[in-house]
Amino acid sequence: QVQLVESGGGLVKPGGSLRLSCAASGFTFSDYFMTWIRQAPGKGLECISHISSSGSAIYYADSVKGRFTISRDNAKNSLYLQMNSLRAEDTAVYYCARGLYSSAWFLGYWGQGTLVTVSS
Amino acid sequence: EIVMTQSPATLSVSPGERATLSCRASQSVSSNLAWYQQKPGQAPRLLIYGASTRATGIPGRFSGSGSGTEFTLTISSLQSEDFAVYYCQQYNIWPWTFGQGTKVEIK
Repeated sequence: QVQLVESGGGLVKPGGSLRLSCAASGFTFSDYFMTWIRQAPGKGLECISHISSSGSAIYYADSVKGRFTISRDNAKNSLYLQMNSLRAEDTAVYYCARGLYSSAWFLGYWGQGTLVTVSS
Repeated sequence: EIVMTQSPATLSVSPGERATLSCRASQSVSSNLAWYQQKPGQAPRLLIYGASTRATGIPGRFSGSGSGTEFTLTISSLQSEDFAVYYCQQYNIWPWTFGQGTKVEIK
């Protein structure tokens, strides 16, 4: 079955960096685009970055552009999010997600999330 | 970016009653609209995509309608497990955006 498992969250000081990982299993990872979504405590959902199946097309939300970098390693079935220059407002649970189908943009599978806390 | 507005923010419903949730887009998203359910401490779960297609395993009491800028999620007869927060999401144009959510609570 499809599994997405995020890791790498934790407590970091403002201005610091963190790298999140998402380990995928149960499907052909290289066939699917992947997306990072975050949810601040008690708040709604925000799509922050998206990468095509090959990694050739990458998109960012304005809120993270220039600070975060999405990447993937199809040989390792893994998705990454490098987060630099972190701010208090980046505090959130970060989810990785996959489209329901390989050609679908709606998010049918989600990981359990990893919490990032930015605080001094 | 496309702004998604959900109403109401909170909906108080008795078990067995019907719930109607609304979602409005600031510009047309065609039928590229999904609905998700989220329970405390859990990741969102896809309910509806293409504005009206139920995802696999979603009970028939959930239905979606609309196109363009106006969308509705209807839960025909609320069960105890349906009390949760519901989000709409447009995936027509990046950045894909969510509404702020509607909390369906027990009346």
